Amino acid sequence: GDSVTQMEGPVTLSEEAFLTINCTYTATGYPSLFWYVQYPGEGLQLLLKATKADDKGSNKGFEATYRKETTSFHLEKGSVQVSDSAVYFCALSVLSGGYQKVTFGTGTKLQVIP
Amino acid sequence: GAGVSQSPRYKVAKRGQDVALRCDPISGHVSLFWYQQALGQGPEFLTYFQNEAQLDKSGLPSDRFFAERPEGSVSTLKIQRTQQEDSAVYLCASSRRYDTGELFFGEGSRLTVL
Repeated sequence: GDSVTQMEGPVTLSEEAFLTINCTYTATGYPSLFWYVQYPGEGLQLLLKATKADDKGSNKGFEATYRKETTSFHLEKGSVQVSDSAVYFCALSVLSGGYQKVTFGTGTKLQVIP
Repeated sequence: GAGVSQSPRYKVAKRGQDVALRCDPISGHVSLFWYQQALGQGPEFLTYFQNEAQLDKSGLPSDRFFAERPEGSVSTLKIQRTQQEDSAVYLCASSRRYDTGELFFGEGSRLTVL
C-alpha cells in the first residue's frame, strides 16, 4: 500500500540554522505530495504542496521539491526561527475509489532554541 | 464557522462506555475524513465521506467504530464499548473538493479510556 517514511525526531536546532527533514514515499499511482505542520495546541495545517515531478512547493521560507527518481520530498529551510518549533508531517495523496486518499508519515518534531 | 470544529475537545470514558465525537466541517466542503492519531504517531485513516455517502470505511479498526454524516455536513464518530486501546486523538478534516489532498483539520478530540 501507499506509505510515507520520514526521519525520526526530535530535531533540535539553534536559531538561524539550516533545516532538512527527509521524507520518502511509496505509492501505487502518481501521488501529490504535501507537508503539513502542527504547532503546539493547534490542528494540522497545510504548509506546502507539489503535484508533479520536479515541482517545488514553498511557503513561509520552507521549500520541498518533488523528486520522482528518488521518491523523495525533503523539507528545507535556510534559517529557522523559534516560531518554527512544531511537528512536521509529510503526506501523499492518491486518487483511489473516487477520491484523493491522504496518507501521513509519523511526524518529525522540530525544536528551535534561541 | 471559519474552520473545522470538533467536540468535545477532551473526553474521558470508562472502559465499556459508548462515546460520540462530533465534527463540524467548513461549510460547503464536499469531503470529510476521520483520522486516529496515537501519541507520537502520524494520523491514521479511519473513514471518508463524500457529501453524505461513506465511500471508504476501510480504516475503521473494528465493528465497534461507526461514523455517519446524514445530511452531508456534520459528522459523528461513535465508538461502542470503548477499550483502552481506543485512547487517541481523533482528527476530523474536510476539503472543498473530492479530488484534492489539501485538507483542513480541526483541533481534534482527545479520548482517554480508563
